[in-house]
This record gives sequence, structure tokens and C-alpha cells, in this order.
Amino acid sequence: GQSLEQPSEVTAVEGAIVQINCTYQTSGFYGLSWYQQHDGGAPTFLSYNALDGLEETGRFSSFLSRSDSYGYLLLQELQMKDSASYFCATWGGGKLIFGQGTELSVKP
Amino acid sequence: ETGVTQTPRHLVMGMTNKKSLKCEQHLGHNAMYWYKQSAKKPLELMFVYSLEERVENNSVPSRFSPECPNSSHLFLHLHTLQPEDSALYLCASSQEAVRSNYGYTFGSGTRLTVV
Repeated sequence: GQSLEQPSEVTAVEGAIVQINCTYQTSGFYGLSWYQQHDGGAPTFLSYNALDGLEETGRFSSFLSRSDSYGYLLLQELQMKDSASYFCATWGGGKLIFGQGTELSVKP
Repeated sequence: ETGVTQTPRHLVMGMTNKKSLKCEQHLGHNAMYWYKQSAKKPLELMFVYSLEERVENNSVPSRFSPECPNSSHLFLHLHTLQPEDSALYLCASSQEAVRSNYGYTFGSGTRLTVV
């Protein structure tokens, strides 16, 4: 089967750094993506890793280790507006499948 | 706005009603998708349309009926739904068969409540 596992909730304080982990199990692998979804809003694409290593986009970075079937999203200098759900996703069976999402709460 | 527009934003319907959800994109994408999002569950893919042809029907009950009249519009027709069908229904679009770093573009969804 194809599945992605990520923690259901993470809490951090404003200004801190937080890491959201994702492990995956797929037949064939075509990269790991991350999406952000604010409550009541559209999921928005954040990043994509096709190869091992770190991809940086401003305060957000995403990492992939294909040998470990593992990736993470790193959020730095947390702001209150970063409170949202974060989903990892990968391709399986020709379609994009998602993890259950991690709800990030940023406290003052 | 993300470039993918869904209407209505909220819908309450009885189990005997017939209603339709609408999705529109003008991003030049040629693949469109319906996803169902229930609380505390992963997004569940329902249907995939590529170049206006349905290429995926993910074991969805027949009370959900998709329609894709052209590459910019996608509908989800609903009839005789059950209370467990209450969820957020998300539409997305992408460039066909491109597993790329551009991802999917999602609409804001229709919050459906079946009473």
C-alpha cells in the first residue's frame, strides 16, 4: 500500500524553529511535496523535493532522504500566521496522495 | 484567490436533494481533481480528469457524479447523499502528468453539510 505518516499536532512559540516530519511508503517514488492549509482555506503548495537534501524557500525549508523514506518541513522564525495544517504528499499510482496533516499551533 | 474558484462556499442539503458543486480554473491546466476532506483524515482523491476525460474514479459511490465539460470547468453532481458525506470538497488543477515542483493548485472548497 501507499501511505504517509506525520504527527497530528505540533505546538511551538513565536520566533522559534519547528520541524514537521513525514515518513512515507510507496511503490516507486517521485518526490515529496508539502502543502499548507489555514482553517477554512485552500491547501497551498509550499515545496517539492525530488532529490535528497535541503530545499530552502525563505523561512521554510524542506528536506528529503530517499534511503530513509523520510522528509521534513522546517519552519524558522515562527509567526502567528504560520498556525495552520501542514500536509506532506507524494505520488502513488499516478496520483498525488496526502498524509493526514499536522496541525501547527504557534503561541505568543 | 488561488486561481481555482469553487462555488458555493457552503452548502446545506437534505438527503433527498440534488445539488451541484462547481469548480473553475483559468490557469491553463489540463488536469482537474475532486478531493474530499473529512476531519482528522487525509485528503481523499475522488476523481481525476485529464484533457476532459475521466481517468480515475477512486471507488466513489454513484451518488457522486462528476462532469468536465471543458478543461476549465469541473462539476460534482450530488444526489441522495448521506450524513457521512458531510465534508469539505476540494477541487484542484495541475499540468497533466507533470510530477513537478509546481504542485497542485487548490480551490478554497465547498463545505457540505447533509442533514
